[in-house]
Amino acid sequence: TQLLEQSPQFLSIQEGENLTVYCNSSSVFSSLQWYRQEPGEGPVLLVTVVTGGEVKKLKRLTFQFGDARKDSSLHITAAQPGDTGLYLCAGHTTSGTYKYIFGTGTRLKVLA
Amino acid sequence: EAQVTQNPRYLITVTGKKLTVTCSQNMNHEYMSWYRQDPGLGLRQIYYSMNVEVTDKGDVPEGYKVSRKEKRNFPLILESPSPNQTSLYFCASSSGAISYEQYFGPGTRLTVT
Repeated sequence: TQLLEQSPQFLSIQEGENLTVYCNSSSVFSSLQWYRQEPGEGPVLLVTVVTGGEVKKLKRLTFQFGDARKDSSLHITAAQPGDTGLYLCAGHTTSGTYKYIFGTGTRLKVLA
Repeated sequence: EAQVTQNPRYLITVTGKKLTVTCSQNMNHEYMSWYRQDPGLGLRQIYYSMNVEVTDKGDVPEGYKVSRKEKRNFPLILESPSPNQTSLYFCASSSGAISYEQYFGPGTRLTVT
């Protein structure tokens, strides 16, 4: 069974601090996505990374896909209370299928 | 408005009573999928469909059935629900473009007593 390990599981920080969330696997993924989920809602896509070594930026969020396409990170600069939520990584396991593996999530709380 | 809808949003039922959770998308997406979300386990894929009449198992298909008779709908069927199927269920769809980006429904919270 393929696994995606996310760390940390929980993170509580002050407004203005930086943080990094990690998503690691022993498996190679054809692409990897990051989602954010609010309580009572479905996950919402933030970004998709496809190429090994790829870096994408979304305002204060920076996403990186590992060179070997087995891991990814999400870095948030100067976190704000609006960044509070559950962050999920998801790996597309096999090209030509719609099979996905999700990480267990990182619950982030940013205190004002 | 482009969206994935699920019904019902909340359901409490008893062991063994067959139920269906509906999922519909209005984006003309080829791909649809069902997930369950449990504390500490994240989202786990139950079944997915890559086209009408084409379905395949995800990681946790036991106890579930699906069908894809038309492109927009992908119902999840629990023939004989058990308490271990108490969970939060999400339907998702994707066009398959740009590496299968997924759009999720609002979720169905199911309790089986």
